[in-house]
Amino acid sequence: AQSVTQLGSHVSVSEGALVLLRCNYSSSVPPYLFWYVQYPNQGLQLLLKYTTGATLVKGINGFEAEFKKSETSFHLTKPSAHMSDAAEYFCAVSVVDSNYQLIWGAGTKLIIKP
Amino acid sequence: EPEVTQTPSHQVTQMGQEVILRCVPISNHLYFYWYRQILGQKVEFLVSFYNNEISEKSEIFDDQFSVERPDGSNFTLKIRSTKLEDSAMYFCASILRLENAQYFGPGTRLTVL
Repeated sequence: AQSVTQLGSHVSVSEGALVLLRCNYSSSVPPYLFWYVQYPNQGLQLLLKYTTGATLVKGINGFEAEFKKSETSFHLTKPSAHMSDAAEYFCAVSVVDSNYQLIWGAGTKLIIKP
Repeated sequence: EPEVTQTPSHQVTQMGQEVILRCVPISNHLYFYWYRQILGQKVEFLVSFYNNEISEKSEIFDDQFSVERPDGSNFTLKIRSTKLEDSAMYFCASILRLENAQYFGPGTRLTVL
């Protein structure tokens, strides 16, 4: 069965600092990997995805993530945090043998300090 | 840009009552999903729907739940007799092809009293 682990329920960084949100997955078949963002009282918005091809994927708002198969990781980064990045971030995986349903991590709340 | 819409944004109901949550997926999409997120917990898969039938469902999706695509545009989730533990945010999602990312609606917050 697939699972997703996000390390750290809360991550706090200063404005302008590097953002690193960690995601590890387990899957017996090649996964598709996603990061979604949820702003307060809003829905889930796709940040970026990895399906095949280049392992470094770029998303919206300056975020990027790298698929590392050997480490079963898909960590999300942004070089310089902005106050508007404060939100909850979810890593998710889908695989063909689960009819591509999304399996979710528990989420990481990103806090930006001025 | 096309988007998934959901109504109502907030539904309050009494325990034991039936509720219907409505979703309008993106018009040319073929696969449809319901997820829920209990406050403070993970997002959980409920059901996927394709070609007018359920393609996959989770253990949560018991006989109290049903889904329907009554008119080719709406996609509904019915909870026949709500329980307190059904209180959650319910998200609808749709995709054109299975390898695409799912597009989510803004959610319906269901409160069961």
